[in-house]
Amino acid sequence: DSGVTQTPKHLITATGQRVTLRCSPRSGDLSVYWYQQSLDQGLQFLIQYYNGEERAKGNILERFSAQQFPDLHSELNLSSLELGDSALYFCASSALADYNEQFFGPGTRLTVL
Amino acid sequence: GENVEQHPSTLSVQEGDSAVIKCTYSDSASNYFPWYKQELGKRPQLIIDIRSNVGEKKDQRIAVTLNKTAKHFSLHITETQPEDSAVYFCAAYSGGGADGLTFGKGTHLIIQP
Repeated sequence: DSGVTQTPKHLITATGQRVTLRCSPRSGDLSVYWYQQSLDQGLQFLIQYYNGEERAKGNILERFSAQQFPDLHSELNLSSLELGDSALYFCASSALADYNEQFFGPGTRLTVL
Repeated sequence: GENVEQHPSTLSVQEGDSAVIKCTYSDSASNYFPWYKQELGKRPQLIIDIRSNVGEKKDQRIAVTLNKTAKHFSLHITETQPEDSAVYFCAAYSGGGADGLTFGKGTHLIIQP
């Protein structure tokens, strides 16, 4: 157990819908990262927050957004869902902003029908 | 941005033999190189990492080497065991507000009994 928690574990929804994925980092970690894992694209970095502020942005679609709250938990919002958004979404946390090992949560499996 | 190439995509070795997985990266500013092990349907787990000021690091049966000049790094697993069967990902991190971890496509390691 990495200490990073994610809810829900599974999510099944329809195209065009909006969902919210939640992540709680390890105790004391200030950075939260979101990753998408699909069979064709592999593991891709989406976005990083550090102590409530957006720090880095990767291949995140405009339909997706995220935020980190004062208690350091983070939410990833996915809207106007498409079939291709079906994937495993991982959250990871680390103590610092840079150069630090990241610990992954168990993931949320999103299925868009 | 950073680009990480990983080879081979599948590696089958006899139990007890050694396994080597190789990665190359493109961004000379990258300075942190973790390796993750992922079992089917589970989260990536950090198994070893190396920073750019170190050429080699070892942890029991696992070792990682880094050649900054050639921009490549490798994972070495000795005395392989059935529980080593998994997908292994290399990654590179340059920080500085650019990308999160950039992952290779993964190597499916199969340990033959």
